[in-house]
Formats: sequence, structure tokens, C-alpha cells
Amino acid sequence: SAVISQKPSRDICQRGTSLTIQCQVDSQVTMMFWYRQQPGQSLTLIATANQGSEATYESGFVIDKFPISRPNLTFSTLTVSNMSPEDSSIYLCSGTDRREAFFGQGTRLTVV
Amino acid sequence: SQQGEEDPQALSIQEGENATMNCSYKTSINNLQWYRQNSGRGLVHLILIRSNEREKHSGRLRVTLDTSKKSSSLLITASRAADTASYFCATDERTGGFKTIFGAGTRLFVKA
Repeated sequence: SAVISQKPSRDICQRGTSLTIQCQVDSQVTMMFWYRQQPGQSLTLIATANQGSEATYESGFVIDKFPISRPNLTFSTLTVSNMSPEDSSIYLCSGTDRREAFFGQGTRLTVV
Repeated sequence: SQQGEEDPQALSIQEGENATMNCSYKTSINNLQWYRQNSGRGLVHLILIRSNEREKHSGRLRVTLDTSKKSSSLLITASRAADTASYFCATDERTGGFKTIFGAGTRLFVKA
């Protein structure tokens, strides 16, 4: 199984600023994904992080708001841009070897 | 987008009782996974069942999968207070690439 390290684990940010979340996998995974989990809700897929190319976004999420990079097979970043209080959520990255999905511990973001 | 629908949304039982949670999904899948999430923490992978399997056991967990009905169930036997958590099913869509999509989740509360 893969171990996924995600940082920061939590942050409190001012509205209008941006935060970049990093995700490092200890072994090569085929796919990497970013999820958002709003308070009391389930996980919603934001996008698939594609190595060396633009991420594939789900309906309701756009690159300008959530730019994603994946320069290699084991590392990805998600930026939450121009934050507002509505962006307060837990953000999780995931990696899969197409058999099982592994998750980081998440980043708890509070926007004030 | 979320594929799985889970019921019940919330379940409260006494310690020692069995807890059953159900999940339905919409598209063809490669496999279905169940996860546990303690309040505000990361996801713990419980069990994976492949599309060609009908039942799987792991300790006090029993998972069934009915691909004809596009549904799965998670049974926790002899529940403990420590089982109190949210439980999510997640499916790997076979179309549009490999994406793990989560259900709405069941909040289980086990009273000591």
C-alpha cells in the first residue's frame, strides 16, 4: 500500500489569499486525485491530477480557482485561489494503483 | 459528482448490536470500497470488493455486492463504541477513466 503525506495539515487564511497544499506519495501511483469535504458532508472529487499535463476537473470546479500541478508520478499540489469563507473545508489528496485508493490525512482549511 | 447513495444517513445502536449500512451506485464499476472516517480525521480503508465478488469478510466486517442491483452492504457485527464514525462507500467508475467517487455516507453512533 502507498503512504500519502499531505501538508499543511491545517491552516487559517485570510480571504482573498491563496493556499497551496502539497501531496507526496511514497511510491508510484497511477492516478492522483484531489477531493474536498465540506463540514458534515462526504468527499467531492475536485479533479484528477494528470502527470505533466492539465488536470481534469469535475463539474463545478475550474482551473482558475483550483490550479493543480503534478510534475511527476509521486507529487502533486492543489492551490485554493482567492479564498472566501465558503472555501473552508478539508481538502484530501488520493492516489490509486487502480486497485485501491489511498488517502492523505487531509488539510483543514479555515478562511476568515 | 457523487455516485453512491447510502442509507441510512444516520444510525444509532447499542454496543453489541449489529450495524448494517447500504450503498447504491449508478454506473459500472471495477470495485467498491468501504471507508471509515472518525470525526474530522483521515479516511481509513476498511475493505475492497471487486466487481466479480459477491461477499467478503474481514474480522467483524462483512461486505456484499450485488452488481445486478448496483448495491452493496456493510455489516459490522458485535459493534463497539469505538466503531462510532462515518462510513462511506466509494466506487471506481469504469467509464471516463478511473475515478473514485464517494457516497453520502452513514453516520454510525454506537452507545456504550
